[in-house]
Amino acid sequence: NAGVMQNPRHLVRRRGQEARLRCSPMKGHSHVYWYRQLPEEGLKFMVYLQKENIIDESGMPKERFSAEFPKEGPSILRIQQVVRGDSAAYFCASSPLNSDSPLHFGNGTRLTVT
Amino acid sequence: GENVEQHPSTLSVQEGDSAVIKCTYSDSASNYFPWYKQELGKRPQLIIDIRSNVGEKKDQRIAVTLNKTAKHFSLHITETQPEDSAVYFCAALVYNNNDMRFGAGTRLTVKP
Repeated sequence: NAGVMQNPRHLVRRRGQEARLRCSPMKGHSHVYWYRQLPEEGLKFMVYLQKENIIDESGMPKERFSAEFPKEGPSILRIQQVVRGDSAAYFCASSPLNSDSPLHFGNGTRLTVT
Repeated sequence: GENVEQHPSTLSVQEGDSAVIKCTYSDSASNYFPWYKQELGKRPQLIIDIRSNVGEKKDQRIAVTLNKTAKHFSLHITETQPEDSAVYFCAALVYNNNDMRFGAGTRLTVKP
C-alpha cells in the first residue's frame, strides 16, 4: 500500500515562473492537506481539501496560490509568479473520511526560487 | 479555528535525561492529539497519539498526557538517546471537522 506520494521531490523555478506541486493521497483517503515549512520553522497550514471541494483555505495567501483536488488525479498546489520567499518545503498529508486518524505525510517538495 | 501553541521551541538535554514538551489548544471541541517527529530533511512521522477520552498513554519511553479542563497536553520522553534528536510537533483535531492544526515545533537535541 503506497503512502502519500508527492512529486517532484525538488523543484527549481526562476522568479516569475509557475510552480506545480502534486500530491496523491494514500489509497482510501479522501482528505488532503497542504502545509508549508520554511527552513528551521514549523508546519504552517495552508489548505484542506476533499475531492472537488476546498474545505478550508484560511492558511493560503489570497494571491498567486491556488489548490485543487479533482475527482480524478492528484491534488495540485499551484504557485503563480513565484518569488524568493516562496522557497520552502511543501508537505502534503492525507487522512480517511470523517475519522480522528493521524495524518500521513508525503516526503515533501522542496521548492527553490532563484 | 483551532490554535495550538507549543513550548519550548528548543530543548537540549543530556543523554539519559527526560524531555518534556507542552502544548495548549484553544478549541474545547478538539478531541484527538497526535505527536509527530521530524528528522532533518524528512517528513513528519507519527510517534504517539491520544484521544480525549483518555488522560495518559504510554509507549515504551514515550508518554503523552492530556488535561482537557486546562486544554493542554504534553509529550514525555524518558531515558533520551541521541537518536531522539529531531523536531517534534504536537497537533489538535476536532472530530468530524478533520481540520488538523500543528504547534510550531520543538527542536530537541540530546547530547551524548
